[in-house]
Parts: sequence; C-alpha cells; structure tokens
Amino acid sequence: DADVTQTPRNRITKTGKRIMLECSQTKGHDRMYWYRQDPGLGLQLIYYSFDVKDINKGEISDGYSVSRQAQAKFSLSLESAIPNQTALYFCATSDGRGDTQYFGPGTRLTVL
Amino acid sequence: KNEVEQSPQNLTAQEGEFITINCSYSVGISALHWLQQHPGGGIVSLFMLSSGKKKHGRLIATINIQEKHSSLHITASHPRDSAVYICAVLGGGNKLIFGTGTLLAVQP
Repeated sequence: DADVTQTPRNRITKTGKRIMLECSQTKGHDRMYWYRQDPGLGLQLIYYSFDVKDINKGEISDGYSVSRQAQAKFSLSLESAIPNQTALYFCATSDGRGDTQYFGPGTRLTVL
Repeated sequence: KNEVEQSPQNLTAQEGEFITINCSYSVGISALHWLQQHPGGGIVSLFMLSSGKKKHGRLIATINIQEKHSSLHITASHPRDSAVYICAVLGGGNKLIFGTGTLLAVQP
C-alpha cells in the first residue's frame, strides 16, 4: 500500500463550487505539505503543517484553505473554485531531517 | 530571476549516453534535493545532498556549495530513465524551493 494517498485522483468541477482534496499518510511524519504544479512552472507551495496544531501559508495560499485533522490527514479546500486553479495538486510528507519529501500520486483538478 | 535554475530544460539522448543535468541556485541552503517525476505524474526523491557526492546505481549527484551548483549524472542511460528531473533546495524556513525541471527523453 502507498505511504501517501490522495483522493480523488481526478476531479472536474465548475466555477464557484467548493472542492476538498484529501491526503492521508502512514509514514508517521509530522510535516505535511500541499503543492500545485502547472505546466512550465516548478512546484509551488500552497500550505504546510509541521504538526497537528501548526498551519502555515505558502507562497500561493490565496483561494485555498487547509485542515489538519490528525497527524495522518491533511485536507486542502478550494472554497469557490476558479478556472486558473486548474492544475495538478500534490500532497507530501517529511520527517524534517534534511526534508526528504514523500509525495502522493497527485490529484488532477479541472475547473470549468 | 528564479532562485533555482535548471539546464537544459529539455534533453534528448540516445540509449547508452552519459547525461548531465545542471542546477544553480542563488539562496543559502541547508540541503539540495533531486527528484524524478515519471510521465504518469508520480514524484520520487532521488537524492538529498548537503556536500560532496552521492551515487545510487547509475545515478550520481554532486554539489559545490561555494559555487551554488549541483549536477545530476546518469551513466549508461536507458529509455526507462525518461522523466522530468527536478532540483529543489531547502532554504530558510525549512521550505523547499523547486526548479522548473528538465524533461529527459532517452531514445532506444
């Protein structure tokens, strides 16, 4: 079984809809991250959490919110989706040592 | 200017060739990572470096802290090495800063 899982893997939605992407991990790591990837751009950090009570904004947090429900779960929400949020979204975890990150398989989100 | 620059952006090689991908960065770092993203989208970590050189199979990664430069080498390349290779640096705030990636295609 995969150490980091994401649901859904693919989602098509309409402008204005609320969307939640979920991430679960079995690695026992405290640190979790949400990234988005757009063609021609590097991975960009949306939000990160270093433990259950810690939530931090990344470089592109506008339009997104997160919830760290437990050490193993970190959810990303788009409150009112817009077309330029169409992207590939990755969740990742790390143990904080040198920060090797373990990525989920990604969620391909399309906002029409 | 991006804080992490990779070159080349695209690279096509013939099977068996020696391949080099370069990464330059402009910020202070505590570690540098090389990652591989397969055509299906999955991302895996290949190396974490803070100095010197590491080797894993046919992959070799080097870093020169003074010159703020790292290279990823692939010896005896194979079509299964075709992927996007991403350089990322661990800067201030314990956050990774990613390069835009190098798309490698190895032809049989």
